[in-house]
Amino acid sequence: DVKVTQSSRYLVKRTGEKVFLECVQDMDHENMFWYRQDPGLGLRLIYFSYDVKMKEKGDIPEGYSVSREKKERFSLILESASTNQTSMYLCASNLGGVGNTIYFGEGSWLTVV
Amino acid sequence: GENVEQHPSTLSVQEGDSAVIKCTYSDSASNYFPWYKQELGKRPQLIIDIRSNVGEKKDQRIAVTLNKTAKHFSLHITETQPEDSAVYFCAARPHSGYALNFGKGTSLLVTP
Repeated sequence: DVKVTQSSRYLVKRTGEKVFLECVQDMDHENMFWYRQDPGLGLRLIYFSYDVKMKEKGDIPEGYSVSREKKERFSLILESASTNQTSMYLCASNLGGVGNTIYFGEGSWLTVV
Repeated sequence: GENVEQHPSTLSVQEGDSAVIKCTYSDSASNYFPWYKQELGKRPQLIIDIRSNVGEKKDQRIAVTLNKTAKHFSLHITETQPEDSAVYFCAARPHSGYALNFGKGTSLLVTP
């Protein structure tokens, strides 16, 4: 069974803090993704990575960065958290190739106050 | 980039009725179209998918149809049950891309 684990389910951070959201997958997947989910806006892609140390911007990368030092781990970093980054963050992964299922983690609820 | 539109945003049906959710996409080269179901407080999970070389796919009470010419695809749920209540997301993967582009979701409520 594929497992995508997000270490923090609920976080409350202050404006200006640096925030790390961690994601680990145990299926040797090449691709990993960070999405943001907001009511009425669906899932929007922040960043993705197709290999170790490789990253590509998604649709809404502003205010975020990522790190992939090991194949199984993909971190999302908010350099200076702002209230408009209060959201649910979903990590996902899949094997390369067409039609390979993307598996999601449970999500991290971030509140910035 | 790929733009995926999903309708309706909310849908309420009575148990036993059918539910249809429709999506359109903009990139004619998109080649993979999955549907995800997200129950309250849980992660999105794949329920069915279709590739661009197939027009229809069924799995028990769920079916997906794809019209490549019109660039739209639909999810059909028959004999709906209360446990079908959830948010459903359609998605499309561009031919040259790695990631999925998602629609904004449809909140389906099945009332007994």
